[in-house]
Amino acid sequence: DAKTTQPPSMDCAEGRAANLPCNHSTISGNEYVYWYRQIHSQGPQYIIHGLKNNETNEMASLIITEDRKSSTLILPHATLRDTAVYYCIVRVADFGNEKLTFGTGTRLTIIP
Amino acid sequence: NAGVTQTPKFRILKIGQSMTLQCTQDMNHNYMYWYRQDPGMGLKLIYYSVGAGITDKGEVPNGYNVSRSTTEDFPLRLELAAPSQTSVYFCASSYYRGNQPQHFGDGTRLSIL
Repeated sequence: DAKTTQPPSMDCAEGRAANLPCNHSTISGNEYVYWYRQIHSQGPQYIIHGLKNNETNEMASLIITEDRKSSTLILPHATLRDTAVYYCIVRVADFGNEKLTFGTGTRLTIIP
Repeated sequence: NAGVTQTPKFRILKIGQSMTLQCTQDMNHNYMYWYRQDPGMGLKLIYYSVGAGITDKGEVPNGYNVSRSTTEDFPLRLELAAPSQTSVYFCASSYYRGNQPQHFGDGTRLSIL
């Protein structure tokens, strides 16, 4: 699976959009981009994933660049409950490759 | 809909003791996984299962055993607890299709003293 690079920490004002970047310059054509978050010491929570098109769900939007070498997770109206560590993961979705490789992620702090 | 349920939430063991961490899911997911997370680190895959009766090793399987007799349950067994197994253990599940996301339980915090 391709390696990802994320900033170690970010702050965002409550009510504003939080934009979390992820670099995955070695991504291959069949690798998906997944985003998870971990609030305090809870289990990781799935947020969104995509292959090459932009995706949106009730939690967030995922913007993937045309060359697929980077992506941005957007939380449109951040709340204090969005304070968490956010993980960007690139993974080939195939049998025999069940591992999710969690790096150190971005610690997002929402400021009141 | 409970999702993925793990028990117990906390446990302290003495070196050499054994125990079973329980995991059950009510989403009818074929795939189930066990991860461990050491302080300040990412998750590492211990074992996974693609269906009842089928299990396979992940990155760090030594010192652990698993079984999958039903779709719902995937227990993790520690036979001879060692201090290196002090960690937070997470169970997860997903549908069989490769790109489907994994859904996690809230974890079991295990200390070996």
